[in-house]
Amino acid sequence: AQTVTQSQPEMSVQEAETVTLSCTYDTSESDYYLFWYKQPPSRQMILVIRQEAYKQQNATENRFSVNFQKAAKSFSLKISDSQLGDAAMYFCAYRILTGANNLFFGTGTRLTVIP
Amino acid sequence: DAGVTQSPTHLIKTRGQHVTLRCSPISGHKSVSWYQQVLGQGPQFIFQYYEKEERGRGNFPDRFSARQFPNYSSELNVNALLLGDSALYLCASSLIRSAYEQYFGPGTRLTVT
Repeated sequence: AQTVTQSQPEMSVQEAETVTLSCTYDTSESDYYLFWYKQPPSRQMILVIRQEAYKQQNATENRFSVNFQKAAKSFSLKISDSQLGDAAMYFCAYRILTGANNLFFGTGTRLTVIP
Repeated sequence: DAGVTQSPTHLIKTRGQHVTLRCSPISGHKSVSWYQQVLGQGPQFIFQYYEKEERGRGNFPDRFSARQFPNYSSELNVNALLLGDSALYLCASSLIRSAYEQYFGPGTRLTVT
């Protein structure tokens, strides 16, 4: 079964501080993509960062970076210098490269940024 | 360029009714996927359409159906609505079926009473 687990339903961080959101997944596939999406109250799902499973180097995108541990099937998101606009639901997701190419999502982590 | 658009924004229906949700992909995108997001959960895959053909289906009953038109826009139809169908329905488009990134629309909030 394809599953994604986000064990932190809620997290909070002080503005300008760093926070890490956790994600583990389960797949029998060897090649896949991993993603973090942000969903603000406007409901629009926005891609934050992506990682190809075959790449050992962790992806970075400005203040966002990931810690990808393939053997452990772990894919955490680190947000540095947190800003008020980072407050949102964050979803971890992956996509296998066969079949329907659909995304499998976790249950999300609600991030609150404290001014 | 316009992003993915969905209509209507909100919808209230009664149990047993039928509903049609619409999605217009980004210009040039040929693949459309539909997801259901129940409150407090992550989105779940319903369908993928590419070049007007169904290319994938999630674990949803036959009450759910969809189609894609020649201009690549798409409709999601749900028959015999149940209370449990209340959710945010998201549409995502991509350039090709296996494209790296899917672009999501703002969703349609369906409430079944």
